[in-house]
Amino acid sequence: DIQMTQSPASLSASLGETVSIECLASEDIYNNLAWYQQKPGKSPQLLIYYASSLQDGVPSRFSGSGSGTQYSLKINSLESEDAATYFCLQDSEYPRTFGGGTKLELK
Amino acid sequence: EVKLVESGGGLVQPGRSLKLSCAASGFNFNDYWMGWVRQAPGKGLEWIGEINKDSSTINYTPSLKDKFTISRDNAQNTLYLQMSKLGSEDTAIYYCAREISPWGQGVMVTVSS
Repeated sequence: DIQMTQSPASLSASLGETVSIECLASEDIYNNLAWYQQKPGKSPQLLIYYASSLQDGVPSRFSGSGSGTQYSLKINSLESEDAATYFCLQDSEYPRTFGGGTKLELK
Repeated sequence: EVKLVESGGGLVQPGRSLKLSCAASGFNFNDYWMGWVRQAPGKGLEWIGEINKDSSTINYTPSLKDKFTISRDNAQNTLYLQMSKLGSEDTAIYYCAREISPWGQGVMVTVSS
């Protein structure tokens, strides 16, 4: 199985700041990586697919980058509504595997 | 509007079975792979498996392959998850998903005596 190591596990930032979350795959996943946002009591919502493609309706302050085994999600100009847990998912190989999650808190 | 609605969850005793359903609407169900993901309370996400459009291919995460069975009824626009030999470790919210998006709202399964 491909292991997805996500970091950091938690993050505290202020409104207007820029933050990055990383996912490291145990092998090349050829950009087959998605990022999700999950708020308490809600199901995860897709933000980014194929490493850098923005899902329809997602604010442009969210962006994804990376290749090979290293990927990142960047959130520019943090807003209060961005407080959530973020997960990465590799859909390159079966079984699909998720990163452990990053809980983003706003100061 | 694409909508996925899970049902069939609840409290179940250890060792028993349970079948979840996911009713799909707002899109052509026959055109998409469908899958299941679960999330134990306060924990991360675990991919369970997915089924292709005509049910000819089903992929599972290996640790769950012997106790979970995914199926679909394209005439009823419904996805299923049959779970057997349930244990406390299977207590989780179960989500159905259309490929990687969207996901349903989830259904809670609690395994306890």
